[in-house]
Amino acid sequence: KAGVTQTPRYLIKTRGQQVTLSCSPISGHRSVSWYQQTPGQGLQFLFEYFSETQRNKGNFPGRFSGRQFSNSRSEMNVSTLELGDSALYLCASSSPTRLGADTQYFGPGTRLTVL
Amino acid sequence: QKEVEQNSGPLSVPEGAIASLNCTYSDRGSQSFFWYRQYSGKSPELIMSIYSNGDKEDGRFTAQLNKASQYVSLLIRDSQPSDSATYLCAATMNRDDKIIFGKGTRLHILP
Repeated sequence: KAGVTQTPRYLIKTRGQQVTLSCSPISGHRSVSWYQQTPGQGLQFLFEYFSETQRNKGNFPGRFSGRQFSNSRSEMNVSTLELGDSALYLCASSSPTRLGADTQYFGPGTRLTVL
Repeated sequence: QKEVEQNSGPLSVPEGAIASLNCTYSDRGSQSFFWYRQYSGKSPELIMSIYSNGDKEDGRFTAQLNKASQYVSLLIRDSQPSDSATYLCAATMNRDDKIIFGKGTRLHILP
C-alpha cells in the first residue's frame, strides 16, 4: 500500500506571496491532519479534515487554511507569507484502530522557505 | 491548554544499554498514547501505541503507561547507533480529538 505523499517537497517563496501544499493520504484513510514543524516550536497542529469537513483546528491565524476533497486528498493554503512561516509542513493520514484511536502516518513533508 | 512534556535532551546512552525516554501529559482524559521516532531531515514514524495502564512490548521497545501519574515512557533495550534520533511522545483523548505532540527528546547512542 502506498504511503502518504506530499507535493511539492521543497518550495521557496517571498514575503507576501501565497502557497498551496498538497497531500494524498494512504488509500482508505479518510482523516488528514496538517502540522507545522520548526526547530523551536516542535510539531504544531494546524488542522484536521475528515470526510471533507474540518474536524479540529489548532491555534494558527486565519492566513492558514485547508480543504479536503471527496477522494480524501487535502490541500493547505498559506496567504500573505511571513518569514516565520518557514518550516517543514507535514501531512498525516489516519484510520481508526480497533481500539478507537487514530494512528497517524506521516508524509515526507514540504520544506517551505520564505525569503 | 492540553500539553505533552518531554525533556529535550540530548540523552546520551552507551551502545547496548537501555535508553529510557519519559513523557508527561496534562489532560487526565487522554486515552491514547503514541511514540514516534524522527531521524534528522525525515518525517516522524510510529514506533508504539499504548492505550491501557501497564507495559507493552514490541521487540526491543517497551512502552509503559501510568494514567494515575499521567506518565508515559519508552524503553529501548540493547540500544544501537541506529536508534539515535528524536523521539516524539503524543497523546489524544479519543478518535475525534486532535493529537498533541511533545517537542521530542533527542537520543544519542554512543558507539
